[in-house]
Amino acid sequence: KAGVTQTPRYLIKTRGQQVTLSCSPISGHRSVSWYQQTPGQGLQFLFEYFSETQRNKGNFPGRFSGRQFSNSRSEMNVSTLELGDSALYLCASSFGSYGDTEAFFGQGTRLTVV
Amino acid sequence: AQSVSQHNHHVILSEAASLELGCNYSYGGTVNLFWYVQYPGQHLQLLLKYFSGDPLVKGIKGFEAEFIKSKFSFNLRKPSVQWSDTAEYFCAVNARPRLTGGGNKLTFGTGTQLKVEL
Repeated sequence: KAGVTQTPRYLIKTRGQQVTLSCSPISGHRSVSWYQQTPGQGLQFLFEYFSETQRNKGNFPGRFSGRQFSNSRSEMNVSTLELGDSALYLCASSFGSYGDTEAFFGQGTRLTVV
Repeated sequence: AQSVSQHNHHVILSEAASLELGCNYSYGGTVNLFWYVQYPGQHLQLLLKYFSGDPLVKGIKGFEAEFIKSKFSFNLRKPSVQWSDTAEYFCAVNARPRLTGGGNKLTFGTGTQLKVEL
């Protein structure tokens, strides 16, 4: 069974640009969550999608957005990039929708903003 | 808002030593509790989880954790660590969304970097 796949693995962008990250969940999983991991702030929840609907949102500015497609694949977009957006972005997929099933994480996308 | 505290940021142990990593959360309601591990260069993996029932839960690779509701704690233990346990360990909490309408939002602690020396 294939795991959670995130593309690309590495990205270098310039301040002010925008970026789109992609996540393919495990087959059959309809919940996709996104997290930002930085040395200073640790792992912080960005948002969660279930059946194409955003169910939860973390405390991030509106520059961070996402969407989920009918095949459960999800994309995350960050507009007007800032240096502080440099981080590892993790995607997690879950089978259930009530937080009582395991979240499977991808390898992440390492975003560097210069 | 819920929060999770991990008291030890860096722990260095010799092989065969016992391990206990502390985790406390702040949330008044019922919660689902998790410990995840991130080995060098690898993705986050689930070690163990607690939803209900026996507060002493066993996970993979000989790890166990005890949920103490009165102390809002979910400490991770292993009787004898191995060099291969060198990794970063994260405690995570999910407020029982069956009671609040759904969701897989995890709140993580800041992590504990464990180094096991031969």
